[in-house]
Amino acid sequence: EVLLVESGGGLVQPGGSLRLSCSVSGFSVSNYEMNWVRQAPGKGLEWVSYISGVVGNIYYAESVEGRFTISRDNAKETLYLQMNSLRGDDTAMYYCARGRPGSNTYPNSWFGPWGQGTLVTVSS
Amino acid sequence: DIVMTQSPDSLAVSLGERTTISCKSSHNVLYSPNNKNYIAWYQQKPGQPPRLLIYWASTRESGVPDRFSGSGSGTDFTLTISSLQAEDVAVYYCQQYYRPPLTFGQGTKVEIK
Repeated sequence: EVLLVESGGGLVQPGGSLRLSCSVSGFSVSNYEMNWVRQAPGKGLEWVSYISGVVGNIYYAESVEGRFTISRDNAKETLYLQMNSLRGDDTAMYYCARGRPGSNTYPNSWFGPWGQGTLVTVSS
Repeated sequence: DIVMTQSPDSLAVSLGERTTISCKSSHNVLYSPNNKNYIAWYQQKPGQPPRLLIYWASTRESGVPDRFSGSGSGTDFTLTISSLQAEDVAVYYCQQYYRPPLTFGQGTKVEIK
């Protein structure tokens, strides 16, 4: 069974940092594209970041470029999102979502399956 | 950025009735070399993560009931629920994956009349 489980969310002050984790089972993170997608309370979906399967090419949404860093640990089968310089508009549920398998190096895939999400609240 | 616009924002449909949701992209998302439309559809029920329903505009994900279907090409796409069931109450999103940033429509809320 394919599972994605996020953790690491919480309450953080503006300007602070958090590291989100997404532990997967049933597949290898090194063989699939992986993404972070967020959803502000009561709002729609916003793609945040992408890391390709084999090569590990990385892309970010403009809203987080320079502040967030996506990475993965193949041995731990875990995806990460390091979030620095957090702002109020970063408050959201953060989901990890799998993309396509294989050697694709460009973010042009659908998202599925998804984890249950981890909530990040940026507030003083 | 490619802007995805869904209509309507919400609709109420009787059980068993046909439901159609429109999604328009600001850019052609048909890639000519492979003749594929880079569009996906998702269903999100309250308190749950999104669930992939459709990709390549019309390919149903494994396990998705066949009352869900996708159609369209270029810039205009439709998600159809042929006979609405109570468990289909949700918000539905389209998404383009033609090029980054990958973008979603604003969502369409489907309720029972």
